[in-house]
This record gives sequence, C-alpha cells and structure tokens, in this order.
Amino acid sequence: TAGITQAPTSQILAAGRSMTLRCTQDMRHNAMYWYRQDLGLGLRLIHYSNTAGTTGKGEVPDGYSVSRANTDDFPLTLASAVPSQTSVYFCASSDTGGPVYNEQFFGPGTRLTVL
Amino acid sequence: GQQLNQSPQSMFIQEGEDVSMNCTSSSIFNTWLWYKQEPGEGPVLLIALYKAGELTSNGRLTAQFGITRKDSFLNISASIPSDVGIYFCAGKNYGQNFVFGPGTRLSVLP
Repeated sequence: TAGITQAPTSQILAAGRSMTLRCTQDMRHNAMYWYRQDLGLGLRLIHYSNTAGTTGKGEVPDGYSVSRANTDDFPLTLASAVPSQTSVYFCASSDTGGPVYNEQFFGPGTRLTVL
Repeated sequence: GQQLNQSPQSMFIQEGEDVSMNCTSSSIFNTWLWYKQEPGEGPVLLIALYKAGELTSNGRLTAQFGITRKDSFLNISASIPSDVGIYFCAGKNYGQNFVFGPGTRLSVLP
C-alpha cells in the first residue's frame, strides 16, 4: 500500500499567489493532520481533522485553510502566500479508534518556497 | 503552549557506540512517541509508549516512558551508519494533539 502521498514534492510560489497542497491516505485512518517543519522548531501543527467533515485549528493555523470532504483526502490551501510560509509541509494520519490509536504516520513532505 | 525539549541537540558518535537521548516536557503526557527522520523524507515512527515506567524495544532501540510522565528516553545500542538522522520525540495528553520536540541530530562516524 502507498500509505500517505503528498503532492507536489516541491514548489516555488510567488508571494500573493494561492496554492493547494494535496494529501491522500489509503489506510482508512479517520484522523489527518498538517504540520510545517522549520529548522530548529520541529514539527508544528497547522490544522487537523478527527473525522471526515470536521476540522480543527492547530498551533499555527493563520494563513492556512483545510477541508475534509472524505476520509482519504485532506488538502491544505494557502489563500495568499507570504515568504514566512516557506517551509516543509508534512501530512500525517492516525487511526483513533484502535489499540494503536495515537500513532501518526507521515507522508514524504512538500517543500514550499515563497518568494 | 506546551513545549518539549530534546537533549542533546546534536551528537557525533563512533560506529558501534551506544547512544542516549532524552525529551522533557513542562506538562504531563499519557503518550510518548519517538520518530526518526532521514533527509528528504517524512518522520518514521520507531516506538510508542503508553504507560509511565514502560520500557519498549524495537531491535537495537529502547525507549522508556519516564515515571514522572514528563520525560522520555531513547537509547540506541551498537550504532551503525544507517542510524544517522534526526530523532524526534512527541508527547500527548488525553484530548490533546501531539507536541513535537525540536529533534536530536545524530551523526555516526565510521
């Protein structure tokens, strides 16, 4: 199985432009997450979704929006990109209903540069 | 918000040596996870801990859930070159999302 896929792998974006980062999982996990990773700061949660149809704000949600229309997909949208959003973005998922319900599995990441 | 500290920030060791790193929190957690990240890839889960005092192994890796519930430790025995990477801890309490540490960067010298 593929697990979690993210697209694109990398992107250079002009400031002010919009962009959607895609994330798809095939594990039927009910929870999905978006993180950004910056040097020295580890992973910071942007938005999350505990189940299809619901979303929540993480630690650094400003400038980002998400939707969860179905179980498998969790796109992250930057409506008007700014240089401070230059980062590596990771999508993750977890099964919150079983014995290993806390364990998050990560995608390969999207490297975004905003100029 | 909650913050995790990881120590050391980075370490250089000789192949074959044992490695110890730790993660501390200002808050109590009920779950600790340890991840490894290699360049250009996403973090990969190594070990999950769910109970204070719990000691869990995964091959040459052993992690412990501190009895105060505010810390966790990861040990790697007989390091090999492929152990190179950044090791992240993550902690969580009931009803909350995970918080990640800044990582420990491990380099293994042949």
